Amino acid sequence: ETAVFQTPNYHVTQVGNEVSFNCKQTLGHDTMYWYKQDSKKLLKIMFSYNNKQLIVNETVPRRFSPQSSDKAHLNLRIKSVEPEDSAVYLCASSQGLGNYAEQFFGPGTRLTVL
Amino acid sequence: GEQVEQLPSSLIVQEGASVLINCSYTDSASVYFPWYKQEPGKRLQFIIDIRSNMERKQTQRLTLLFDKKTKHLSLHITATQPGDSAIYFCSASPANYGNEKITFGAGTKLTIKP
Repeated sequence: ETAVFQTPNYHVTQVGNEVSFNCKQTLGHDTMYWYKQDSKKLLKIMFSYNNKQLIVNETVPRRFSPQSSDKAHLNLRIKSVEPEDSAVYLCASSQGLGNYAEQFFGPGTRLTVL
Repeated sequence: GEQVEQLPSSLIVQEGASVLINCSYTDSASVYFPWYKQEPGKRLQFIIDIRSNMERKQTQRLTLLFDKKTKHLSLHITATQPGDSAIYFCSASPANYGNEKITFGAGTKLTIKP
């Protein structure tokens, strides 16, 4: 099956802990993204990454960092989570950086910070 | 930065009716406008897009109109079906950045009553 896969589906943790979410795409794309979708369904792009360039949304706190081993994988690490980090984190992929291509989204990872 | 506004925030229509979702943006540098749909419990899915050098695009029951002068888009869905129940997101991307600087609207929740 060709798609974007995310693990885990859900994660509950306490303030101050570190968490890591995984994303893999089997679509053969070279660009991947992380989005945050809050409780009101508002979507904000956090990172865009291909094997050459990382683009960070300037509003993203430094405790968030993307990690990539190859163009098919883009993980998200959050050091010292805070209550406002509770949200659904969506991973997506598309072909090409700097072009206008349809994005394919994963099912999301729901993070709850207690 | 870019701001994308969608109206209405929600609407409920009878199956078979047509609906109109409006979207406006603020940054004249935006040139690409993809729309995505998020059905309950499902992943975000691309449905239609338009570029700033076009005025209209149609695919099956969807018609997307674009007015560069007023910075306004409208998505028209005809002959609605229960499967059209979803949150519809308008988005805007600036020139030279593709999806990396995409901004999403807050979404329009469409409910189709059988």
